[in-house]
Amino acid sequence: GAVVSQHPSWVICKSGTSVKIECRSLDFQATTMFWYRQFPKQSLMLMATSNEGSKATYEQGVEKDKFLINHASLTLSTLTVTSAHPEDSSFYICSARDQAGATVNTQYFGPGTRLTVL
Amino acid sequence: TQLLEQSPQFLSIQEGENLTVYCNSSSVFSSLQWYRQEPGEGPVLLVTVVTGGEVKKLKRLTFQFGDARKDSSLHITAAQPGDTGLYLCAARAGGYNKLIFGAGTRLAVHP
Repeated sequence: GAVVSQHPSWVICKSGTSVKIECRSLDFQATTMFWYRQFPKQSLMLMATSNEGSKATYEQGVEKDKFLINHASLTLSTLTVTSAHPEDSSFYICSARDQAGATVNTQYFGPGTRLTVL
Repeated sequence: TQLLEQSPQFLSIQEGENLTVYCNSSSVFSSLQWYRQEPGEGPVLLVTVVTGGEVKKLKRLTFQFGDARKDSSLHITAAQPGDTGLYLCAARAGGYNKLIFGAGTRLAVHP
C-alpha cells in the first residue's frame, strides 16, 4: 500500500525554539495533507488541512502563527512549531490523501513524530 | 461535544473473551472507518463501511454499519493479546472531507 513518512520520528527541544516536522507521500501525489495532534491517552485531533500551493486551513482553536504549515509540493508538507513550549509536547501525525488511481481519496497516515519540549 | 462517541473508553479482558466496541453519532455519514493504533505509531486502517446495514469481516473482527449510517460497531471474537491497542472510528465531515476521529477505545487483552 501507499506509504507516508515523517521526519524526524522524535525530537527533543528547548523551550522557545522552533521545530520543523516533514511529511512525505512516498509513492503517490497528495494535493491535500492533514496534520493531527495526539496527547497521551487521547485520540487524534485535527489541527489543519494543508493544500498544495495554497494556505492551510486551521481548525478552531489552533494558532496559525504558532503552527506554520507549508505544502510546497505534491509529496511534501511541513509543520513548524514556532517558539515551542512544554505544553506543545505531543505526538504529531500527518496524513496524505491519495488523489488518483484505485485508492483515490484514501487517506494514509504517517508513523508520527514525538515532540518533547523541555 | 464529539461528533463521534465511542464506548467503552477502556476495556481490559482475558484472552479468549469476546468484546464489542461502539461508535455512535447523531449525524449521517456516507462512510465510516475503523483504525487500530499501537503506542508510538500512526493509526492503521482496518476497514471502511459504506452501505447502511453492511457487515464486514476481517478474520476475528466483525464490523457493522448501522442501517441509518449513524453508528457502527466492532466485534472481536476470541480476543488475543495481539489485539491490544487503541481502536478508533473515524468519519468524513466538513470542508475538504476532513477525517474526524472518535475518542477511541483502549483495549488490553491479557494472556
